[in-house]
Amino acid sequence: QVQLVQSGAEVKKPGASVKVSCKASGYTFSTYGFSWVRQAPGQGLEWMGYVSAYSGHTDYAQKVQGRVTMTTDSSTRTAYMELRSLRSDDTAVYYCARDQGGTYLIEYWGQGTLVTVSS
Amino acid sequence: DIQMTQSPSSLSASVKDRVTITCRASQGIGNYLAWYQQKPGKLPKLLIYGATTLQSGVPSRFSGSGSGTEFTLTISSLQPEDVATYYCQKYNTAPLTFGGGTKVEIK
Repeated sequence: QVQLVQSGAEVKKPGASVKVSCKASGYTFSTYGFSWVRQAPGQGLEWMGYVSAYSGHTDYAQKVQGRVTMTTDSSTRTAYMELRSLRSDDTAVYYCARDQGGTYLIEYWGQGTLVTVSS
Repeated sequence: DIQMTQSPSSLSASVKDRVTITCRASQGIGNYLAWYQQKPGKLPKLLIYGATTLQSGVPSRFSGSGSGTEFTLTISSLQPEDVATYYCQKYNTAPLTFGGGTKVEIK
């Protein structure tokens, strides 16, 4: 069965960077892509961007463009999301999510990684 | 970018009531619209995709309709386990914007 297992919680200072990993299993890795979605405390879902595990193609939300890099490593079946120049309003649970294949539709979710930005 | 607007932002209804949530896109998105359910403290769960297709395992009291710019999610008979926040999302092209969410409670 499809499983997405994310790295553990992080506490970062403003201005620092964070890199969250998402290890996939249960399917052919390179056939699908990953969206990264975040949810600030008590807030809604915010799509941050997408990376194709097949081509490496990326799309980023305007709000994080320039601060975010999404990559995949097929040898370890892992997707990564790095966010730089962290601010307090980046505090959120960050989810990786696999698409359906052939479309951007999100079908499977990782368990989430809490990133706390605090001085 | 296309904006996704959900209404209402919250609602309270009685068990067995029919509940309707609306999602409007600022431009046409065909039928590339998904609905997710997120219960408190849990992961989002895909309910409906392609505007009208029920994801496997989702109870038949959930249904979706619409195309282009206006979409609805209907719960035909609200159950206590349906207490959650519901989100629409466009997925035709990036950015894959979510609606702001609709919190559903039991009266």
